[in-house]
Amino acid sequence: QQQVKQSPQSLIVQKGGISIINCAYENTAFDYFPWYQQFPGKGPALLIAIRPDVSEKKEGRFTISFNKSAKQFSLHIMDSQPGDSATYFCAATDSWGKLQFGAGTQVVVTP
Amino acid sequence: GAVVSQHPSRVICKSGTSVKIECRSLDFQATTMFWYRQFPKKSLMLMATSNEGSKATYEQGVEKDKFLINHASLTLSTLTVTSAHPEDSSFYICSASVRSGRTDTQYFGPGTRLTVL
Repeated sequence: QQQVKQSPQSLIVQKGGISIINCAYENTAFDYFPWYQQFPGKGPALLIAIRPDVSEKKEGRFTISFNKSAKQFSLHIMDSQPGDSATYFCAATDSWGKLQFGAGTQVVVTP
Repeated sequence: GAVVSQHPSRVICKSGTSVKIECRSLDFQATTMFWYRQFPKKSLMLMATSNEGSKATYEQGVEKDKFLINHASLTLSTLTVTSAHPEDSSFYICSASVRSGRTDTQYFGPGTRLTVL
């Protein structure tokens, strides 16, 4: 049973466009929400993360928006580039320090 | 900083043999390491949590006698797949946890592709 629900499963965006990935959770004990980027055949790399007491965090072209009351958070990739083509996973850390992953979103940025 | 390595990156073995995968935190000490398995186009599936100096905690459905985990030091954890079978073929990824304040952040290794013939 997936504790973090992620959508869409895949998306195609033109170069320069905005990629938006959404995640939702139920467990209010989750206290840390990282996003990971994974290229084929590689391990996931930490991209950006947020704690629930913050509503937005921006690092370069990547922004997390967090809505605590709705138990939803999203990743926005601004000015998407072909090098951003990868699979993105949202996650949430539970009280034991374990990560609960979303199902992943495959992003393809067309030239 | 926060670099995690895995060795080997790829391994092919015959059915019935055992394979050991090493996970090292290169520039930090990790009291907790995790082992995951990932099938093609799927999310990461947690197999076990490994704490330095104590027995690993396995997730439901993961055979502890088949997937032996040893966390010998604060920078090294090993996963041994015993008596491997073709169905054990998968991408195995480890992570090491770093605590900063109230936050535990996991950093992942590059993964190990296991193929069992």
